[in-house]
Amino acid sequence: DVKVTQSSRYLVKRTGEKVFLECVQDMDHENMFWYRQDPGLGLRLIYFSYDVKMKEKGDIPEGYSVSREKKERFSLILESASTNQTSMYLCASSVTAMNTEAFFGQGTRLTVV
Amino acid sequence: QKEVEQNSGPLSVPEGAIASLNCTYSDRGSQSFFWYRQYSGKSPELIMSIYSNGDKEDGRFTAQLNKASQYVSLLIRDSQPSDSATYLCAVNIVGFNKFYFGSGTKLNVKP
Repeated sequence: DVKVTQSSRYLVKRTGEKVFLECVQDMDHENMFWYRQDPGLGLRLIYFSYDVKMKEKGDIPEGYSVSREKKERFSLILESASTNQTSMYLCASSVTAMNTEAFFGQGTRLTVV
Repeated sequence: QKEVEQNSGPLSVPEGAIASLNCTYSDRGSQSFFWYRQYSGKSPELIMSIYSNGDKEDGRFTAQLNKASQYVSLLIRDSQPSDSATYLCAVNIVGFNKFYFGSGTKLNVKP
């Protein structure tokens, strides 16, 4: 079974802190994604990566950065956390080829106080 | 205009009825289509994928794709209370290594 694992299920951080969300997949997938999900807004893509050290901005990259030093690991970084970044964060991965689905991690509920 | 549109619902159906969920998309380059189910507080899980026009059946679920009209639908037969969840439609567009998601339709199946 494909497994996408996010480092934390729940996280509480203070405003201004630098926050790291980690995601690891065990299926040798090329593509990895970070989404945030808020009520009424659906899944919004923050960043994605299609190869090691490669990244592309999604729809809402402001206030975030990412790192992909190894194929299996994709990290989301909140440079200076703010209360409007309180959200559910979802990591996903997929193979590069068309006609393949995205597999999701269990999600990280981040609260910034 | 959003790439993928869904009615947010909630859609309420009685137990045993057919639930019909609809999704429209704007980009004619869309090639792969997916339905995910998401329970409250959980992450999305894949229900069905469909890549060509027509129907695809898997147990109580049927996905229907009409590329000419740019819509994809999901039918759930013999709906159960355990089907109560938010259903997300997603598309993958040729040349783009990413998925576009609709905002989801909340389904309530009443016992």
